[in-house]
Amino acid sequence: NAGVTQTPKFQVLKTGQSMTLQCAQDMNHEYMSWYRQDPGMGLRLIHYSVGAGITDQGEVPNGYNVSRSTTEDFPLRLLSAAPSQTSVYFCASSPRQGRIGYTFGSGTRLTVV
Amino acid sequence: AQTVTQSQPEMSVQEAETVTLSCTYDTSESDYYLFWYKQPPSRQMILVIRQEAYKQQNATENRFSVNFQKAAKSFSLKISDSQLGDAAMYFCAYRRPPTSGTYKYIFGTGTRLKVLA
Repeated sequence: NAGVTQTPKFQVLKTGQSMTLQCAQDMNHEYMSWYRQDPGMGLRLIHYSVGAGITDQGEVPNGYNVSRSTTEDFPLRLLSAAPSQTSVYFCASSPRQGRIGYTFGSGTRLTVV
Repeated sequence: AQTVTQSQPEMSVQEAETVTLSCTYDTSESDYYLFWYKQPPSRQMILVIRQEAYKQQNATENRFSVNFQKAAKSFSLKISDSQLGDAAMYFCAYRRPPTSGTYKYIFGTGTRLKVLA
């Protein structure tokens, strides 16, 4: 089925470890983004990309890196995990025109201990 | 900068009744898109309904409809004949048009809807 595939669904990390959250979409969407969701704070934008080779920072980029080598893939890297990065992470994609809205991945619940 | 405000952190509704969730936004632009997303306990974000600012007619999707008041910058969601499956967190979102050169979505903080049997 067409959509946004996000892996893993759950992850526990120790402080200082690094990892990559994977995100892939098969809808040829130009725009992809990563959000974190924390209680009472809604969705906060971490990084986004408007096309292959183009990325930019969102509201809360510190401690995260992204790259976009292809239209389909947009991985999020945690460089050195901290307890403050415990959250639910969502990847989302949208066509440039944007009228139809975002398609979201199923989310990753990350716990840093 | 654009902002989206959902002033009701939590609401309750009796099954089969109607409930309205509020959303206001701040923008200086005339063309934009507005969305309501539903997040059930499964965590999946689901698009409920969308509205294009240049359209005066309020969007409707089955039991879901919006009251779009452009001048007041208000975009409320009405759920009719509420069902237990409607229990979820609901997020309002704003997106600037592609002509703005940016594609960012701005989300409100959400309203948790409880449906009482």
